Amino acid sequence: DTEVTQTPKHLVMGMTNKKSLKCEQHMGHRAMYWYKQKAKKPPELMFVYSYEKLSINESVPSRFSPECPNSSLLNLHLHALQPEDSALYLCASSQVPGGFLRNTEAFFGQGTRLTVV
Amino acid sequence: RKEVEQDPGPFNVPEGATVAFNCTYSNSASQSFFWYRQDCRKEPKLLMSVYSSGNEDGRFTAQLNRASQYISLLIRDSKLSDSATYLCVVRGEFGTGTSLTVIP
Repeated sequence: DTEVTQTPKHLVMGMTNKKSLKCEQHMGHRAMYWYKQKAKKPPELMFVYSYEKLSINESVPSRFSPECPNSSLLNLHLHALQPEDSALYLCASSQVPGGFLRNTEAFFGQGTRLTVV
Repeated sequence: RKEVEQDPGPFNVPEGATVAFNCTYSNSASQSFFWYRQDCRKEPKLLMSVYSSGNEDGRFTAQLNRASQYISLLIRDSKLSDSATYLCVVRGEFGTGTSLTVIP
């Protein structure tokens, strides 16, 4: 069972809605990540937080706004999304800041399956 | 251009077979190599890290070839439960994934 918890598991939203995805880990990890995965494609990195600070933004459109309120929580605020943003959004954490991009494994939550209508 | 390339398969093998997947990467400075497994509509789960000297975990063997810049995963004595997509990860970037179906 994953120790990274994501809510909600499923979300359907309209293009004018504002919603938030939440991610929580209690492993004491100091890095958290957002990935986006389209059907039959691999996960693609969106954001990296190290010590609660945004360290990497992979040129993600501003309609996706990440937030890290504390070391255990990571949010992704969504606004004015497009149907092509429908995907599985995966949160992950690693013990070492930015470690998944260097030498430390990351653990993934079960994801939020987002549908934009 | 993607930094990590992986043969997407699919691989369909009988139970008990040995199957190998390869993954190439372009950044010679890469230090971080992993194999993840992803079942349909589930999250990726860490299968094993890949160490310079190669490493084994039961029926699974991972190897790194720095000179040719590729990593490999060998699965021996395939089980039905091994059916999944296997993803290599280099510096946080996922390969395209290789689909494996083990047939009774």
